[in-house]
Amino acid sequence: AQTVTQSQPEMSVQEAETVTLSCTYDTSESDYYLFWYKQPPSRQMILVIRQEAYKQQNATENRFSVNFQKAAKSFSLKISDSQLGDAAMYFCAYRSYGGSQGNLIFGKGTKLSVKP
Amino acid sequence: KAGVTQTPRYLIKTRGQQVTLSCSPISGHRSVSWYQQTPGQGLQFLFEYFSETQRNKGNFPGRFSGRQFSNSRSEMNVSTLELGDSALYLCASSLDPGSNNSPLHFGNGTRLTVT
Repeated sequence: AQTVTQSQPEMSVQEAETVTLSCTYDTSESDYYLFWYKQPPSRQMILVIRQEAYKQQNATENRFSVNFQKAAKSFSLKISDSQLGDAAMYFCAYRSYGGSQGNLIFGKGTKLSVKP
Repeated sequence: KAGVTQTPRYLIKTRGQQVTLSCSPISGHRSVSWYQQTPGQGLQFLFEYFSETQRNKGNFPGRFSGRQFSNSRSEMNVSTLELGDSALYLCASSLDPGSNNSPLHFGNGTRLTVT
């Protein structure tokens, strides 16, 4: 069975600085998807970024980028120029390539605080 | 376009009672998934429905059940509530569960407290 581990329960960053959130996963599959979701106090999970395992290029979405290391089974999220609105819980998630879109395996999350 | 709507937002029930939570997906979305979120276990997949059929099920006891209607709206039911069922229940919808380009859209969740 696949597992997702986020080893940092809490992180803090100064506004305008850069922060990296860690995620490792365990799988025997060769094709899969990885995601980072953000959950602000409103509780709604918002997709931040997505990475297909067969793509070597790291995904980027504006200030958000990932460092995908397939051999190491590592998938970290880098937030550049941190803003107060980035404060939230961040969850790393895994989905099998042939699996259903709705069936994600989540890590326990990292609470990110942004200091003004 | 309205997002995923979950009702109610908050719910307080007593042990032994049953509860029904509702989820209306984004218009045009045919797949609905449910997750339980607790501080200890994190986010855990409950089940997924597509075209009124349960497509996948997580590792939860039979007290947890769900269904989907012809308009894609979904309900989940928990019978004989236990204290450990206290959690945030999240619903998510997508166009097609088998599509790789159909991301999940989540609702704001229903906070269930069992006393």
